Amino acid sequence: QLQLQESGSGLVKPSQILSLTCAVSGGSITSGGYPWSWIRQPPGKGLEWIGYIYHTGTTYYNPSLKSRVTISVDLSKNQLSLNLRSVTAADTAVYYCARGGGRYANWFDPWGQGTLVTVSS
Amino acid sequence: QTVVTQEPSFSVSPGGTVTLTCGLNSGSVSANSYPSWYQQTPGQAPRTLIYTTNTRSSGVPDRFSGSILGNKAALTITGAQADDESDYYCALYMGSGISVFGGGTKVTVL
Repeated sequence: QLQLQESGSGLVKPSQILSLTCAVSGGSITSGGYPWSWIRQPPGKGLEWIGYIYHTGTTYYNPSLKSRVTISVDLSKNQLSLNLRSVTAADTAVYYCARGGGRYANWFDPWGQGTLVTVSS
Repeated sequence: QTVVTQEPSFSVSPGGTVTLTCGLNSGSVSANSYPSWYQQTPGQAPRTLIYTTNTRSSGVPDRFSGSILGNKAALTITGAQADDESDYYCALYMGSGISVFGGGTKVTVL
């Protein structure tokens, strides 16, 4: 059974870099050509798609975050990573990784449990 | 800017039926939007219910069904149960590799 587990710093200072990893178990990132995605949810608010990556390294990003986001993949560790630069309090959220479905991450299934990141000095 | 619209809230009686919708502020939803639906209870990660308009994810009971109604995607819960009380989010594919989530609908069962 495919499982995803997010990890990383839970507290980041404003203007610094938010870094998270998503470990994939029960299956290989290279299998099936799936897009692997990041999605976030500010406290009390809705879901926001951040972007995704294929095992080839090809990425797609939310236009509103594109200038600050980098998603990468480490095939040797079977994990993907998220870097978000120049963070502000508005980036405080639960960050989820999920496997995308369809050719362009047209849906998301399954999801990791999520990790809360707080941006504060 | 494209906005995905959902009703803020809905109330349904136990055993009743409720239909949530997912639309666009400009344009129509079609199968090419690959509508998907997610259920989320407080403190939990979203659970995938429906993808590609009407395909149920593994383990999802058949009281959840998806469709296109007019120019919107729809999620129908038939025979609502107490543990269906959750937030429901839809997502639509916009093309060019981009997906957008709706703002969510809070469903109360009472």
